[in-house]
Amino acid sequence: DADVTQTPRNRITKTGKRIMLECSQTKGHDRMYWYRQDPGLGLRLIYYSFDVKDINKGEISDGYSVSRQAQAKFSLSLESAIPNQTALYFCATSDGSANEQFFGPGTRLTVL
Amino acid sequence: EDQVTQSPEALRLQEGESSSLNCSYTVSGLRGLFWYRQDPGKGPEFLFTLYSAGEEKEKERLKATLTKKESFLHITAPKPEDSATYLCAVEGTGFQKLVFGTGTRLLVSP
Repeated sequence: DADVTQTPRNRITKTGKRIMLECSQTKGHDRMYWYRQDPGLGLRLIYYSFDVKDINKGEISDGYSVSRQAQAKFSLSLESAIPNQTALYFCATSDGSANEQFFGPGTRLTVL
Repeated sequence: EDQVTQSPEALRLQEGESSSLNCSYTVSGLRGLFWYRQDPGKGPEFLFTLYSAGEEKEKERLKATLTKKESFLHITAPKPEDSATYLCAVEGTGFQKLVFGTGTRLLVSP
């Protein structure tokens, strides 16, 4: 079984809809991250969490919110989706500073 | 502000033709420099972490090196299965999070 899983893997939605992307991990890591990837822009950090009670904004948090339900679960919500949020979204985990991050398989989100 | 620039954007090689990918960075104190491989439609897969200038790491046909301003990913005698996008990222001492470059798309033809 994969160490970091994301659901759904693909989602098509309409402008204005609320969307939740979910991430679960079995690695036992405290740190979890949400990124989006756009062609030509690379991976950009949306939110990150160093433990269950710690939530921090990344460089592009506007229009997004997160919830850390447990050490193993970190969800990303788009309260009112817009077309420029169409992207590939990745969840990642790590067990400390300057340690490698382990990425999930990604969610491809299309907002029409 | 921490920044990472990768070059070239794309590289096409013949099987067996060795080359290097570049990652230039500016960071206020380096905690670590990371190389990842990403196949189309998949999440990045960790390759190496380098922590200080002069450090080198190898894995199969790949060798990563680090100076105070840049890192190189050397690919020796590549095979078609090495085709992927290679991502570089840095973590500075100011913030405990990664800043990624936009990647180099490598295509190795048989």
